[in-house]
Parts: sequence; C-alpha cells; structure tokens
Amino acid sequence: DAGVIQSPRHEVTEMGQEVTLRCKPISGHNSLFWYRQTMMRGLELLIYFNNNVPIDDSGMPEDRFSAKMPNASFSTLKIQPSEPRDSAVYFCASSPWGGQSSGNTIYFGEGSWLTVV
Amino acid sequence: GNSVTQMEGPVTLSEEAFLTINCTYTATGYPSLFWYVQYPGEGLQLLLKATKADDKGSNKGFEATYRKETTSFHLEKGSVQVSDSAVYFCALFSGTYKYIFGTGTRLKVLA
Repeated sequence: DAGVIQSPRHEVTEMGQEVTLRCKPISGHNSLFWYRQTMMRGLELLIYFNNNVPIDDSGMPEDRFSAKMPNASFSTLKIQPSEPRDSAVYFCASSPWGGQSSGNTIYFGEGSWLTVV
Repeated sequence: GNSVTQMEGPVTLSEEAFLTINCTYTATGYPSLFWYVQYPGEGLQLLLKATKADDKGSNKGFEATYRKETTSFHLEKGSVQVSDSAVYFCALFSGTYKYIFGTGTRLKVLA
C-alpha cells in the first residue's frame, strides 16, 4: 500500500522565493496534518484538515504560510516569501480518524527538507 | 492540558545491551499511547501502540506497557542492534485530533 507521499523531498531556495510543498495522503484517510520539525523546536503541528476543511491553523507561524486541501487526495503548504528561518523538515501526515474514537494511528510521509539561503 | 515527557538523550549503548527509554504522560480520560521511530533522513514510523491500561504494545523486539497507575509508557528492548540507532518519540492521542509528541530521544548503538 502506498503511504503518504510528499514532494519535493529536498528543496533549496533563495530567500524571498515562493515554496510549495505537496502531499498525497493515504487513500481513505480523512484527517491530514502538516508538521514542521527543527532541532530547536522539535515537532510542531502547523495545520490540521478534516474532510478537506481546515479545522485548526493556530500553528501556522505567520501570514507567509498558507495551506490548502482542494480534494481528499491532495494538499499543499505554501511559503511566500520564504526566509532562512523557515529552513526545516516539513512532514505531511494522515490518519483515518474523524470522530471521538481513540487509538487511530497517524502515518507520516518521508518529509520535505527545505533549505532557504 | 495533555503532555508527554520523555527522557533526554542521547542514549549511547553497546550492541546487545538492554534499552529503556522512559515516557510519562499527563492526560484527561483514557488516551492511546504510541512510540514512533525516526531513522536518519526519514519520516516518523509507528513502532508500537497501546490503546488501554495494561495493554502491551510490541514490535521488532521492542515492548511498552500502558501503566495508568504510574502514567507511564516506557520503551524497552532486551538486546539492541546497531540498526536500532534512531530517534524515538513517545506520543499520546486523547480523542481530539491532536497527537501530542514528546521531544524525542536519540539512541546510538555502538558495534
């Protein structure tokens, strides 16, 4: 079975450029998460979608960050303009959870390693 | 609020040594508990999980038991290998959408 698929795996860009990260969740999963991982701050939840609707974007650091989920099989995270402090690994994850049940596993993609110079 | 606390790393062990990585949690209700592993250059992968008190999760020789009385979910392995070198994350899911992750413990196993 295909897991969560992210692209690009690695991106090096210049400060001020627009960066778009892409994610295809596992088929049938109705919850999608974008996380950012850095040495200093660990794993941070940026935004959570349920059934393609953004439920919680309180972790999005600034207006430079935006995320969309136009359909159940695709999501993007965009940074415009990018800054060196945005350098991090960005993970997309999905889960089949959609209600108050517990015990559902969250599955991570391989990550997009972003370097802004 | 809900939280997960795991031991600081790095943990350095010789091959075939016994491993314990401590994890304690704070949560309302009855959370599910997880251990994830992250190998260099990769995403987080589920290692094991437990969904109720006294459950034991196990996988690839790793074990963890959900102890409600001590609010703990310590990860153990009887004999580590060099290939187990990775970062291990304890995590909690309490029935809302938020998974709470610990800060990660880096394990280095020497041949």
